[in-house]
Amino acid sequence: NAGVTQTPKFRILKIGQSMTLQCTQDMNHNYMYWYRQDPGMGLKLIYYSVGAGITDKGEVPNGYNVSRSTTEDFPLRLELAAPSQTSVYFCASSPQFGELFFGEGSRLTVL
Amino acid sequence: GNSVTQMEGPVTLSEEAFLTINCTYTATGYPSLFWYVQYPGEGLQLLLKATKADDKGSNKGFEATYRKETTSFHLEKGSVQVSDSAVYFCALSESYGGATNKLIFGTGTLLAVQP
Repeated sequence: NAGVTQTPKFRILKIGQSMTLQCTQDMNHNYMYWYRQDPGMGLKLIYYSVGAGITDKGEVPNGYNVSRSTTEDFPLRLELAAPSQTSVYFCASSPQFGELFFGEGSRLTVL
Repeated sequence: GNSVTQMEGPVTLSEEAFLTINCTYTATGYPSLFWYVQYPGEGLQLLLKATKADDKGSNKGFEATYRKETTSFHLEKGSVQVSDSAVYFCALSESYGGATNKLIFGTGTLLAVQP
C-alpha cells in the first residue's frame, strides 16, 4: 500500500543551492500536484500535471520547475533556493475528478 | 477568484464535546466541497466530501452539508475524541477547462481534544 511516496522527508539547503524533491505514485493516476504548506496559510498549488508530458503552473510557481516523463513520477526542482522557499511540500495524485491522495510531506529549510 | 474561509484555531475541546468548524466559500459555477484532515506528522487525508447543493458528506462521525444559499460547508461532530486532534482543512475543487481537479484550501483549523 505505497500510495504516494515523497523523498526526502527533511532537507536543509543553503541559499543558492538547488535540489529535487521526488514524488512517485503507484495508483496509475493521471493527475499529480505539488503543494506547499506555510503556517497559517493553508496549502498553495505550485504545479500540476494531467498526464505524462503535460504540466502547468499553479498559484505559486516562481522558483520551481517540474517534469512528468512517466505516469508514476512528478519531481519538483528548486533552482537557486531562497529563504522564502522554506516550507513543507506535499505531492498528491488523483484520478480525474476524484479524491486527492497526499504523500507524507517533505520539510525543506533554506538557510 | 475562488476562495475558502474557515474559522481560525486553535479549537480546544474536552472529550465528548460537540464540534463545529465553520467554512464558507466563494466560487463561480458549482464546485465540489471537501474536508481534509491532517494528523501530526502525516499528509492530508480526505475526511468527507459533497458534490452538489444539499448533499451531506459523512465519515467517522463527522458530517458537513453543502449549503449553496449560505455558501457554507460547516464540519460537525457530536462527540469528539482525543484521537480527533488534528488540523482540518476545508477545500473546494476548481475545474480549469474541465480537465483538472485542482483544490483550493482554507488555512486549516487546529483541533485539540483534551481527555
